[in-house]
Amino acid sequence: SQQGEEDPQALSIQEGENATMNCSYKTSINNLQWYRQNSGRGLVHLILIRSNEREKHSGRLRVTLDTSKKSSSLLITASRAADTASYFCATDSSGGYQKVTFGTGTKLQVIP
Amino acid sequence: DAGVTQSPTHLIKTRGQHVTLRCSPISGHKSVSWYQQVLGQGPQFIFQYYEKEERGRGNFPDRFSARQFPNYSSELNVNALLLGDSALYLCASSPYRGGQAGYTFGSGTRLTVV
Repeated sequence: SQQGEEDPQALSIQEGENATMNCSYKTSINNLQWYRQNSGRGLVHLILIRSNEREKHSGRLRVTLDTSKKSSSLLITASRAADTASYFCATDSSGGYQKVTFGTGTKLQVIP
Repeated sequence: DAGVTQSPTHLIKTRGQHVTLRCSPISGHKSVSWYQQVLGQGPQFIFQYYEKEERGRGNFPDRFSARQFPNYSSELNVNALLLGDSALYLCASSPYRGGQAGYTFGSGTRLTVV
């Protein structure tokens, strides 16, 4: 079963605009991670935010986490055509072993 | 350094057959996990192996099995293939038993069952 749900399912923006994707999850977590997937191939780890953190930045990426609402958002600023991909949130709620649960994904299209 | 390598990249099998997928983690990574991704969905956790022992199992039937070798590489085996097993199978490696550092994924094996 999917732990998280991303919103929106699909997003189309012009190059240079910002893209915001949201993720909601159901159970308590240790951390939340965002991944990018191009053309149905392997996932690329973008950023990890721990449950005691509220915001994290990495380059053009900004992630927020609200554990009270069980939600997270990923902001990509100044988008580029190369950002076109599917983006997944993944929650780690394991008690000492790895059990990462992925959401359903947001398909982002950046139009040049 | 090589990333996570998976083989083969593509595979076509017939219903009822058996398949073995292989994964080599990043050097020094002792944890290997397997995920199934059906088209249009997020990856679903199948197994985690750490230090050659099964540490976690997802909600998959017993037709799915895996093992980890002394060099930390891993195999995923699926018996009695069904059409619904058609998917992208992803392997992820991590230096840790838990998920505190994120995971590095391979490019996957695309399995088609006909």
